[in-house]
Amino acid sequence: QLQESGPGLVKPSETLSLTCTVSGDSISSSAFHWDWIRQSPGKGLEWIGSIFYNGITYYNPSLKSRATISIGTSRSHFSLILNSVTAADTAVYYCAREPLAYNYAADSWGQGALVTVSS
Amino acid sequence: DIQMTQSPSSVSASVGDRITITCRASQAVGNRVAWYQQKSGKAPQLLIYAASRLQSGVPSRFSGRGSGTDFTLTISSLQPEDFATYYCQQANMFPRLLTFGGGTKVEIK
Repeated sequence: QLQESGPGLVKPSETLSLTCTVSGDSISSSAFHWDWIRQSPGKGLEWIGSIFYNGITYYNPSLKSRATISIGTSRSHFSLILNSVTAADTAVYYCAREPLAYNYAADSWGQGALVTVSS
Repeated sequence: DIQMTQSPSSVSASVGDRITITCRASQAVGNRVAWYQQKSGKAPQLLIYAASRLQSGVPSRFSGRGSGTDFTLTISSLQPEDFATYYCQQANMFPRLLTFGGGTKVEIK
């Protein structure tokens, strides 16, 4: 299971920070990538980035290097930081598990966390 | 970047109907395509991965086909619980980049 947590309101130009707590799996397993995906209100899905157990990260270039994904020291959670947010970053943010055996498909998702960017 | 064009954007159908949703990739993606169902206010749920492999627990009325650039999701006999929005997703390997289609809303006629 995955569960997102973090502030629901962030001011423009500030930093969005979310955590995904993983239970029932180990982030240390080489069997999965761990993803962040977002969905703007009424819009489609956008992949933000992924992290592998060894800390290797991949990001969507559309975010222009504003995103950072990391694994927590307890290895029971991973995090997303998004810098210099604007109203366009208002979205439901999902964390997801992507088994390597599933050919880039995410088979387990958190319930989502709505983050609103507003002053 | 590889673009994924999904059609139609919406479809009205009745219980028992057969419907097909199409995604076309701007370049070949092998079988790196997945299909998701999303109901209002909920997270997407995986239906199909590797273009044609049915996720565990998903009813067999859902099926996926295709390879290269053209992919389809078919629901053979719509059930009331199938009215939802469906998304395709493709993956570019190098550099790693996952891209979703624009979605297809399946509505009750």
